[in-house]
Amino acid sequence: QVQLRESGPGLLKPSATLSLTCSVSGGSIRSSYWSWIRQPPGKKLEWIAFIYQSGDTTYNPSLRSRVTISIDTSKNQFSLKMNSVTSADTALYYCARIGETAAGTPGYFDSWGKGSLVTVSS
Amino acid sequence: EIVLTQSPATLSLSPGDRATLSCRASQSVRGYLAWYQQKPGQAPRLLIYDASKRAAGVPARFSGSGSGTDFTLTITSLAPEDFAVYYCQQRSVWPTFGQGTKLE
Repeated sequence: QVQLRESGPGLLKPSATLSLTCSVSGGSIRSSYWSWIRQPPGKKLEWIAFIYQSGDTTYNPSLRSRVTISIDTSKNQFSLKMNSVTSADTALYYCARIGETAAGTPGYFDSWGKGSLVTVSS
Repeated sequence: EIVLTQSPATLSLSPGDRATLSCRASQSVRGYLAWYQQKPGQAPRLLIYDASKRAAGVPARFSGSGSGTDFTLTITSLAPEDFAVYYCQQRSVWPTFGQGTKLE
């Protein structure tokens, strides 16, 4: 059973760059798609981006200009960077695995980390 | 962006009751829809994918149906552990989620 664990800064100031890392254990990152999703307090889930083990990426159009997702297969980790953060980026950030369909396309979020709370405040 | 609208926002039922949750898409997502369960302080858990397929380990009292723009999650005979928030999610285009239904 694959397990995911997020690590992040907790608190950062407006206009800073958010960096998050997801460590994957119990399975290889050299398969499936890997994703970041966030949930502002009391609000719904918002998908941010996903990456394939090959390095191919797909971004939420509304966040694309500020976000970069990357993968490090040697460390079995993938990461997210988000620049120019504001209070609107305060959220619980989850990393998740996306199961690969029989056609090799991204399926659904079938394994999740516990989440990393990020608060943007001066 | 495909908008998913869930109804009702809150569903008040008792253990043993039948729950019916709805998810409507702003345009067709074919059968590419999933349902997740989220309990307080926990990450979401995949219950149903491709509209009607149960994920591994999900009890048979959970079932999904629908296609195109209208989908339903049914929970027959609610167990105490089923009281949670339920989200639908589509993958027809880039992923989006509904706003959730709280089952209380």
